[in-house]
Amino acid sequence: DTEVTQTPKHLVMGMTNKKSLKCEQHMGHRAMYWYKQKAKKPPELMFVYSYEKLSINESVPSRFSPECPNSSLLNLHLHALQPEDSALYLCASSQEGLSYGYTFGSGTRLTVV
Amino acid sequence: GEDVEQSLFLSVREGDSSVINCTYTDSSSTYLYWYKQEPGAGLQLLTYIFSNMDMKQDQRLTVLLNKKDKHLSLRIADTQTGDSAIYFCAVVTGGGNKLTFGTGTQLKVEL
Repeated sequence: DTEVTQTPKHLVMGMTNKKSLKCEQHMGHRAMYWYKQKAKKPPELMFVYSYEKLSINESVPSRFSPECPNSSLLNLHLHALQPEDSALYLCASSQEGLSYGYTFGSGTRLTVV
Repeated sequence: GEDVEQSLFLSVREGDSSVINCTYTDSSSTYLYWYKQEPGAGLQLLTYIFSNMDMKQDQRLTVLLNKKDKHLSLRIADTQTGDSAIYFCAVVTGGGNKLTFGTGTQLKVEL
């Protein structure tokens, strides 16, 4: 299995809703990442987990809450989002050392209404 | 922080070669990558080069690295319509566990 699987593929949520994005990989990668991407812009790093511990938080608002239940799973819990949070949310994983780059999932396209 | 810049748009005819350029500022970057993103999709790793290399060839793809000028390029030989996408260069920063992406180049291949 050489894939990163993200669910759901599309999500529409209201500003008062609570939802979660899920990411799964079975490549034995010990680093996992959340990126946010606006249309035609580069991905922007949000969080890095290394060996199931949060190692980088790029000053992301607290309405985004990451969780890494085990080495294969990464969640992103969403609460009280704003319309400007609408974007493609990408999960990625990598082997230690980044020698082979990241493997990205196909993303969750989030629309906040 | 690291700045990684690319030209925004490139248009080529099918069968021609495409050259996508990237400049970066962090001279300590160890690995440099090229990713492809098709509309509505995630990012696909195309190739990478280690900072002690000048060139890497992988089938139709050739990566050139000028470390002195902090300039990276991706050449696609015999460009096809299926190569139409946005191409991002990315460099390792922040001590090794962080990728910073370039601004992206939209490649359009015309018949």
